[in-house]
Amino acid sequence: SYELTQPPSVSVSPGQTASVTCSGDNLGKKFTSWYQQRPGQSPLLIIYHDTKRPSGIPERFSGSNSGNTATLTIGGTQLMDEADYYCQAWDSSTAIFGGGTKLTVL
Amino acid sequence: QLQESGPGLVKPSETLSLTCTVSGGSVSGDNYYWAWIRQPPGKGLEWIATIYYSGSTYYNPSLKSRVTISIDTSKNQFSLKLTSATAADTAVYYCARRNINDSASRFDYWGQGTLVTVSS
Repeated sequence: SYELTQPPSVSVSPGQTASVTCSGDNLGKKFTSWYQQRPGQSPLLIIYHDTKRPSGIPERFSGSNSGNTATLTIGGTQLMDEADYYCQAWDSSTAIFGGGTKLTVL
Repeated sequence: QLQESGPGLVKPSETLSLTCTVSGGSVSGDNYYWAWIRQPPGKGLEWIATIYYSGSTYYNPSLKSRVTISIDTSKNQFSLKLTSATAADTAVYYCARRNINDSASRFDYWGQGTLVTVSS
């Protein structure tokens, strides 16, 4: 079965750029979405179709996908960006989630 | 809006049943599928199943033998049944909308989630 691998944790200083990676076999040939989940809240879609941002999502969130790795980039990271981030892709009609990355802003 | 409902406590070996009520839109929209996703305490997200208003269904292979997803367009609801529940099925269960507009598939709306505990 298809798997997506994320680092368990990433740390970043406020104002700096954070990168969260998501790896999978030929992931670049699939479309990837990213979800932000703050403690006690439902996941929030922040990137879809590799690079698209839903309405209301700040421009500091961006995505890319090539080869075996998709990357979520947060430019000018803010304290409010501290959360868990999940990548998600489709394998046929099956939705696959990565294990999640805890982003710490300190 | 999506709102999950159902028992918060299920006994081992019994069937877990949840319903998601959709408001502010129709489950019969051409560009939308409807999904169940769960998250065990302290763990990541796991997709369970998806359904289209026509009745087409898609299941996580690891759960397929125990799961049934159904839809009631007259009530604007869709439901989940998971049989032979065990402690491993304890999780927050989310219902979500899969949007396929612009050929870009994503889960763009989620319910608030409901915690289901499997315990005697």
